[in-house]
Amino acid sequence: AQSVAQPEDQVNVAEGNPLTVKCTYSVSGNPYLFWYVQYPNRGLQFLLKYITGDNLVKGSYGFEAEFNKSQTSFHLKKPSALVSDSALYFCAVRDGNTDKLIFGTGTRLQVFP
Amino acid sequence: DTEVTQTPKHLVMGMTNKKSLKCEQHMGHRAMYWYKQKAKKPPELMFVYSYEKLSINESVPSRFSPECPNSSLLNLHLHALQPEDSALYLCASSLGTVQDLHFGNGTRLTVT
Repeated sequence: AQSVAQPEDQVNVAEGNPLTVKCTYSVSGNPYLFWYVQYPNRGLQFLLKYITGDNLVKGSYGFEAEFNKSQTSFHLKKPSALVSDSALYFCAVRDGNTDKLIFGTGTRLQVFP
Repeated sequence: DTEVTQTPKHLVMGMTNKKSLKCEQHMGHRAMYWYKQKAKKPPELMFVYSYEKLSINESVPSRFSPECPNSSLLNLHLHALQPEDSALYLCASSLGTVQDLHFGNGTRLTVT
């Protein structure tokens, strides 16, 4: 079965420092991978996706993610964190058999001034 | 601001009430979704409509009844809900079933 894992419930980082939010996946076939962000009392917002092509994917708000096939990872990164990046981040994979989007458990990012 | 509009933003209902949640998008998307989200948890898929036809029902109890009157509108009719149904209900749409999802800001439902 297709799945994604987000091993960290929470990530804390100081403003201005680089941030990484981890995601690993388990799929059969080629993975379609996504990152979404959720601010308090809001729906999810699409950040970026990997379908094929360049392993480094650039997305909204300065975020990027690196697809690593050998490590089955798709970590979300940003060179310099902002306090406004504090939110809940979800990694997701599309199940190729059902077309459903399967979400990870989420990682809360806290950026401190 | 989101391009998927959900109303109402908040809803409190008793277990014997009947209410409806509404969702609207004008992006020409052909797939629409209902998700349920509990606090600090990932969204759980409930229903998917593709070209106005119900394509996925994730074994949701019949007290939740979806309706897609046209390609821009999606409703979720609620009847005889239980307190454990209290959650954030999110609507989403996508160009097709394999594309990025666009979410609304949700309806915060409390069942008393």
